[in-house]
Amino acid sequence: AQSVTQPDIHITVSEGASLELRCNYSYGATPYLFWYVQSPGQGLQLLLKYFSGDTLVQGIKGFEAEFKRSQSSFNLRKPSVHWSDAAEYFCAVAAGNDMRFGAGTRLTVKP
Amino acid sequence: EPEVTQTPSHQVTQMGQEVILRCVPISNHLYFYWYRQILGQKVEFLVSFYNNEISEKSEIFDDQFSVERPDGSNFTLKIRSTKLEDSAMYFCASSEGLDTDTQYFGPGTRLTVL
Repeated sequence: AQSVTQPDIHITVSEGASLELRCNYSYGATPYLFWYVQSPGQGLQLLLKYFSGDTLVQGIKGFEAEFKRSQSSFNLRKPSVHWSDAAEYFCAVAAGNDMRFGAGTRLTVKP
Repeated sequence: EPEVTQTPSHQVTQMGQEVILRCVPISNHLYFYWYRQILGQKVEFLVSFYNNEISEKSEIFDDQFSVERPDGSNFTLKIRSTKLEDSAMYFCASSEGLDTDTQYFGPGTRLTVL
């Protein structure tokens, strides 16, 4: 079965600094990969997704992610973080009906 | 923009009681899902539903859980006899199709079992 690892439980960055959240997946076939964001007390909002084609995908709120098959990674990046980006970020891989989530990375933004 | 809705937003129940969590998926979607997130832990897949039957379920989805689409708009998750460890946030999601179709999540129902 597919699985996702997010190595960083908690990351703190200063506002305006760049951000990279790591995600590694395990899946035998071509993965369908997603990044979701969860603000406190809220549901999951889709940031971006990768199915095929261009390995650099653009999402909402200025986020992008790059699929690297050789590294089994799908890291999320943002060049300049805003205070409103503070949230929990989940990477997910889907196979058929079954979507598996990583444990999440909590992002704290310092003023 | 269409969205998935869930009711109630918070449900408190006594251990051993039955609860029903309700979801209204996006209207043209055909696939429906339930996930749960125990406080501080990852989001876990429970079950997927298509064409009025379960298409996949996880090991968490045991006999105390059931799902139903009682009418054309609602999708429900029933927990027959709640346990303390059922306390979690339960998310409903829906998608138009499989694999390449994005799952859209509702805001969740926080279930507290006392």
